[in-house]
Amino acid sequence: EDQVTQSPEALRLQEGESSSLNCSYTVSGLRGLFWYRQDPGKGPEFLFTLYSAGEEKEKERLKATLTKKESFLHITAPKPEDSATYLCAVQARGYAGGTSYGKLTFGQGTILTVHP
Amino acid sequence: EAGVTQSPTHLIKTRGQQATLRCSPISGHTSVYWYQQALGLGLQFLLWYDEGEERNRGNFPPRFSGRQFPNYSSELNVNALELEDSALYLCASSLIRDFSYNSPLHFGNGTRLTVT
Repeated sequence: EDQVTQSPEALRLQEGESSSLNCSYTVSGLRGLFWYRQDPGKGPEFLFTLYSAGEEKEKERLKATLTKKESFLHITAPKPEDSATYLCAVQARGYAGGTSYGKLTFGQGTILTVHP
Repeated sequence: EAGVTQSPTHLIKTRGQQATLRCSPISGHTSVYWYQQALGLGLQFLLWYDEGEERNRGNFPPRFSGRQFPNYSSELNVNALELEDSALYLCASSLIRDFSYNSPLHFGNGTRLTVT
């Protein structure tokens, strides 16, 4: 069964204080690893997809990296508007009729709070 | 471009009743996915519809069902509501059946279902 574990559960940072969020995963053949941001009362907003170990993606103050067992979301010089819950999800290599077909398995998320 | 839209925003039902939730995907998207986000449990995969057919379902009882219409909009029905069905129900859509880097899942803002 595919599993995703995110840590820490909650992270409080001062504005400008860089840090990293961790996503550890177990999947029977990784098709893709996804990062989403979710604001209170809203649906998840797509950030990145990573496919292979060693891959990196960047967007503004965010940088996502991938190894064979985990992914990191690095936040450089965060601002208060970066406060949100960050969700990690994996898509397994599925086939029609299989339980993993078309399915994303999500972690519990990391609640990030950035204080001014 | 309009995003994924869901209605109603909030829904309050009594235990034993039925609930119907609606979703309109992004224009041109043919696949619709339903997820449940209950407090403390993270996002759980419910159902996936593509081209009017149910392609996969998560580990939920049969009283969770749905359908996809010819215009690709979708409906989620929950029968015999139980207190633990209280959650945020999120709908997502993708451009192609096997969503990937070029067509990640895009989520709506959800329907908050409260069962009393």
